[in-house]
Amino acid sequence: AQTIHQWPVAEIKAVGSPLSLGCTIKGKSSPNLYWYWQATGGTLQQLFYSITVGQVESVVQLNLSASRPKDDQFILSTEKLLLSHSGFYLCAWGFGGGAREQYFGPGTRLTVL
Amino acid sequence: GDSVTQTEGPVTVSESESLIINCTYSATSIAYPNLFWYVRYPGEGLQLLLKVITAGQKGSSRGFEATYNKETTSFHLQKASVQESDSAVYYCALGGITGNTGKLIFGLGTTLQVQP
Repeated sequence: AQTIHQWPVAEIKAVGSPLSLGCTIKGKSSPNLYWYWQATGGTLQQLFYSITVGQVESVVQLNLSASRPKDDQFILSTEKLLLSHSGFYLCAWGFGGGAREQYFGPGTRLTVL
Repeated sequence: GDSVTQTEGPVTVSESESLIINCTYSATSIAYPNLFWYVRYPGEGLQLLLKVITAGQKGSSRGFEATYNKETTSFHLQKASVQESDSAVYYCALGGITGNTGKLIFGLGTTLQVQP
């Protein structure tokens, strides 16, 4: 069975501090990986996608970056957090293009103060 | 543009009552829209509830049903008799964007509260 793990579960960080969020998918080989973000009261927005190791494409510019150092790992990071980065971050995996469903991790709650 | 609009919550119903959560979509740049309902139960992650990728078809799961209506651009979620355990946040989502983005476009979510 496939499992998707995200870390940390929650973070409280200061404005201007760095951030690193992680995601690991087990039980699937070479999945497409995605990062989504949900601001409080907002909808889920796709931030990044990756179809292979080492390749990440940005969908929305939020002063964040992402990397895929391994087939089963997806990292979201920034060197300087903004208040507007607060929200809920979800990692997801799927296969193929848009005609397929995606499976989401438990998420990370980020609060920037 | 491409967007999803769904019933604003919270929606409160009593156990054993029927439920409908409306979802309409706009898919101006998507040739073949795919439609999904996701659900987030309290304390849990976002789960796929059901999907329909062909217009005119119906998807069902856990007693919930949704029919993909291309004419009205709708994908309403229905259940004949809700249970307290159905209390959750429900998200309608639109996919089918060509290319590798795999982007899903979500509605704002509808919080369902089922009273015993």
